Amino acid sequence: ELKVEQNPLFLSMQEGKNYTIYCNYSTTSDRLYWYRQDPGKSLESLFVLLSNGAVKQEGRLMASLDTKARLSTLHITAAVHDLSATYFCAPLLNSGGSNYKLTFGKGTLLTVNP
Amino acid sequence: DTGVSQNPRHKITKRGQNVTFRCDPISEHNRLYWYRQTLGQGPEFLTYFQNEAQLEKSRLLSDRFSAERPKGSFSTLEIQRTEQGDSAMYLCASTPGGVRSPLHFGNGTRLTVT
Repeated sequence: ELKVEQNPLFLSMQEGKNYTIYCNYSTTSDRLYWYRQDPGKSLESLFVLLSNGAVKQEGRLMASLDTKARLSTLHITAAVHDLSATYFCAPLLNSGGSNYKLTFGKGTLLTVNP
Repeated sequence: DTGVSQNPRHKITKRGQNVTFRCDPISEHNRLYWYRQTLGQGPEFLTYFQNEAQLEKSRLLSDRFSAERPKGSFSTLEIQRTEQGDSAMYLCASTPGGVRSPLHFGNGTRLTVT
């Protein structure tokens, strides 16, 4: 069964600082998604990583995927308050035939302080 | 593209009552997913439809849960004889299919069982 571990689960950082969130998963998966969730809101897709070595960047966020290490990272550069949210990684699991489902980590609650 | 729509947004019910939630996916998205999210956790997969066919159900889904997607359009999720442990946010997501497409999530239905 696929297990997804994110760390840290809680991250408090100052504006302007850099930090990385890690996502490890337990079985083979060559596709991974990152989502953002604001309090009381639904999930917003941030990145779709489709192959080993994939790197995507959007603003102050950069995501990468290493399928051999079963690891994805979400790097935050020069954090700003607007980035405060919960971030989820979700590898795509093939559960048989043409059935695919995303399996989510517990999320990383990011708080950016002035 | 009006997004994934879920109704109601909130539902408070007494233990033992039946509840039904509705999800309207993005037009022409043939895959529809139901997830459940509790506080501080990532979304957990419940079930998945391709068009009108229910292709997979999670072991989390007891016999009290049933989902339908008549005619491959909207979907309903019914919980019979609700229990306090059913209290959660129920999220619906849709995708046009193909693993390159992220899931587009609705705003969810928050269920509280008293």
